[in-house]
Amino acid sequence: DAEITQSPRHKITETGRQVTLACHQTWNHNNMFWYRQDLGHGLRLIHYSYGVQDTNKGEVSDGYSVSRSNTEDLPLTLESAASSQTSVYFCASSAGVGNSPLHFGNGTRLTVT
Amino acid sequence: SQELEQSPQSLIVQEGKNLTINCTSSKTLYGLYWYKQKYGEGLIFLMMLQKGGEEKSHEKITAKLDEKKQQSSLHITASQPSHAGIYLCGAAFSGNTPLVFGKGTRLSVIA
Repeated sequence: DAEITQSPRHKITETGRQVTLACHQTWNHNNMFWYRQDLGHGLRLIHYSYGVQDTNKGEVSDGYSVSRSNTEDLPLTLESAASSQTSVYFCASSAGVGNSPLHFGNGTRLTVT
Repeated sequence: SQELEQSPQSLIVQEGKNLTINCTSSKTLYGLYWYKQKYGEGLIFLMMLQKGGEEKSHEKITAKLDEKKQQSSLHITASQPSHAGIYLCGAAFSGNTPLVFGKGTRLSVIA
């Protein structure tokens, strides 16, 4: 069965360190997304990609970057981790945009100390 | 997002009771998606609505999109403990923009 896998599931890092969260999907979807989930804010879009070499900024992109070198992977990098980036991060993929559901990974819980 | 408001924020119901969760948009919806999330897990897709007046059901959960395509309701009949979790609505406002999500409704079902 096709799936979307995030790693690690939990990560603790220190302020100022660079951190990369992995996202791998076997749906063969062109569209991939990164969201963060925080109490009181719900899910907010960080970055997204509509295909290889395509990346776009979302609502809360400051301090984050992504790259898309193949269809399956969209790693999310925190350039210099800040305590405000402590959150649960979800990766998702979809076959279409606006007319297809997102398939979500199980999330990565990141704590920045 | 302020573009999408969910109500109520939380809900505690007795097992067997019916309940409704609302999702209201400040703009016309291109598509509306309902998801369920259990603690510590990812979001599970429930239903997608695109046409005004459309209604879909899955087991004891029914979702409807109003005629003006600015509000959706999720109705659970005869709630069970397995229905407990966080319900989120996600909105597409066009065919080329990512989904925007509401803040979620936390549902608890007590015996």
